[in-house]
Amino acid sequence: AQSVAQPEDQVNVAEGNPLTVKCTYSVSGNPYLFWYVQYPNRGLQFLLKYITGDNLVKGSYGFEAEFNKSQTSFHLKKPSALVSDSALYFCAVRDERGGATNKLIFGTGTLLAVQP
Amino acid sequence: GAVVSQHPSRVICKSGTSVKIECRSLDFQATTMFWYRQFPKKSLMLMATSNEGSKATYEQGVEKDKFLINHASLTLSTLTVTSAHPEDSSFYICSAASTGQIEKLFFGSGTQLSVL
Repeated sequence: AQSVAQPEDQVNVAEGNPLTVKCTYSVSGNPYLFWYVQYPNRGLQFLLKYITGDNLVKGSYGFEAEFNKSQTSFHLKKPSALVSDSALYFCAVRDERGGATNKLIFGTGTLLAVQP
Repeated sequence: GAVVSQHPSRVICKSGTSVKIECRSLDFQATTMFWYRQFPKKSLMLMATSNEGSKATYEQGVEKDKFLINHASLTLSTLTVTSAHPEDSSFYICSAASTGQIEKLFFGSGTQLSVL
């Protein structure tokens, strides 16, 4: 069955330093992968997606993610972290089972804390 | 970008009462809407998929008689938590997809339900 794993519950990084939030996936076919961000008491906001094409995907707010097929990973990255990036980040994969094509399976989330 | 409005943002109710949560797509027609439940520091759990004009499809383990979903129009879906109990207290989030937007979902801002 398809799934995504976010091995880190929390990532701490100093402002101005690069950040990486890890995600690995498991699918039987071609993966449709997504990153979403959630601020406290809010819904999710779309950051970026990978469907096909370049392995490096650029998204909102300066974030990017690298699709690595051999490592089945889709890590989220940003060259220079901001305090305002502190939030909960979710990796997701499209559910390949029949039915609605927009059905997503979410990872457990990683809390990103950026210290000033 | 597309906007999904979810109301109320916060509701407190007594045990045994019913609560209705609305999810509206403001600038597009949502053929499919999803309802999620999120526990503290946990990922989103898909509860059900609703398609306009038809019955909702519930995920395994979700009581359809307790969580009533109605998707009567292309811009509105409602989730009614019937006979609420304290264990139903949670953060509920809706998301909507429009025809053609198969890779991107738009999320509401969530509803924090507290059952006393």
